[in-house]
Amino acid sequence: GAGVSQSPSNKVTEKGKDVELRCDPISGHTALYWYRQSLGQGLEFLIYFQGNSAPDKSGLPSDRFSAERTGGSVSTLTIQRTQQEDSAVYLCASSWSLGGMTTNEKLFFGSGTQLSVL
Amino acid sequence: ELKVEQNPLFLSMQEGKNYTIYCNYSTTSDRLYWYRQDPGKSLESLFVLLSNGAVKQEGRLMASLDTKARLSTLHITAAVHDLSATYFCAVTIPMGNNNDMRFGAGTRLTVKP
Repeated sequence: GAGVSQSPSNKVTEKGKDVELRCDPISGHTALYWYRQSLGQGLEFLIYFQGNSAPDKSGLPSDRFSAERTGGSVSTLTIQRTQQEDSAVYLCASSWSLGGMTTNEKLFFGSGTQLSVL
Repeated sequence: ELKVEQNPLFLSMQEGKNYTIYCNYSTTSDRLYWYRQDPGKSLESLFVLLSNGAVKQEGRLMASLDTKARLSTLHITAAVHDLSATYFCAVTIPMGNNNDMRFGAGTRLTVKP
């Protein structure tokens, strides 16, 4: 597709269950980011993938969170044993590599997955 | 640790007025971004500022960057209701071959008639 696609758009789960959130970036984008946005809050960085480099996982809030990016394209964010405080909108964004000198180097965001943990 | 601070966090303006949103960041970065988020929607890129002294303008919004002061401003001229949204600034952190992007907390702007 033309944009960043995330699925599902909404996910309601019970506390203690595992969830998987999917992100399809724009074709050709080498950089992929996951952010979390709680109600009325800013964006909390979670993890960043750039090409074949080791991902920057420094934003993951606990070891219950993990993410993969297969084949340099689709990414899955997994949250194990979900807790109520995990409830938020999870945003995925992609871009070309940020490091050159063009104004095309901006993030393109998906519509997000609204996660509700009951 | 990189900190990106915006102020104000909440801003209520009358239509036709001018105001400036400020974005300070705590580490060296030579590029800064402004994004807009409408309620219930995702983020949309507004400006990319790539060098010290860069100034970009689109419509009633003008963004500038002072890398020495680690400060960017988003100036709103003669505000209109359609500008009501949350505005985020973000900076990139060079990390080897990677360039992470970190966001401020956002400024929620409400423009009243």
